[in-house]
Amino acid sequence: DGGITQSPKYLFRKEGQNVTLSCEQNLNHDAMYWYRQDPGQGLRLIYYSQIVNDFQKGDIAEGYSVSREKKESFPLTVTSAQKNPTAFYLCASSTLQGANTEAFFGQGTRLTVV
Amino acid sequence: AQRVTQPEKLLSVFKGAPVELKCNYSYSGSPELFWYVQYSRQRLQLLLRHISRESIKGFTADLNKGETSFHLKKPFAQEEDSAMYYCALLYGSSNTGKLIFGQGTTLQVKP
Repeated sequence: DGGITQSPKYLFRKEGQNVTLSCEQNLNHDAMYWYRQDPGQGLRLIYYSQIVNDFQKGDIAEGYSVSREKKESFPLTVTSAQKNPTAFYLCASSTLQGANTEAFFGQGTRLTVV
Repeated sequence: AQRVTQPEKLLSVFKGAPVELKCNYSYSGSPELFWYVQYSRQRLQLLLRHISRESIKGFTADLNKGETSFHLKKPFAQEEDSAMYYCALLYGSSNTGKLIFGQGTTLQVKP
């Protein structure tokens, strides 16, 4: 079954702890993305990667870190430096085909800091 | 800076009425624009690309470079069109991919 999988669906974290969100794809896509979705603010880009072992900061990268050691995997770590981490996180992947690009999304992870 | 703006958070229409979801963008280069849709309890998915110039589920969108707009239109709304709609901009060269989204518009089609 091809697609993009995020886990876990729900995650609770205590203040001061780091937590890692998983994102795996078997679509053979080069590009992968992490977005944060907050009510009224749409999707904001945290990090993106166009190729293995390379990634770039998006608009709200502070307090987050990523790695891209394998083409299939793009985990996101929410560190204790992120001031307001409670949010819904979406991972996506795409080919890089200019105007023909289509991004495929995971089902999301809802992170709650308690 | 590159930006996508959707000025309406909520658009509520009656079934059969025309629909226009607004999208404006800011980008100095040649933009690649898309509309994505998220139905209740489903994943965000591509609705249409500006380059395809085709109608998907009765929706069309025309890129207006003069007005830097990419509004989504449908002549007769259906209840099943109720969803969250996001306008998106892909920029950079053809083999790079920074994909940014607007704030989203919730379309509510009433019976």
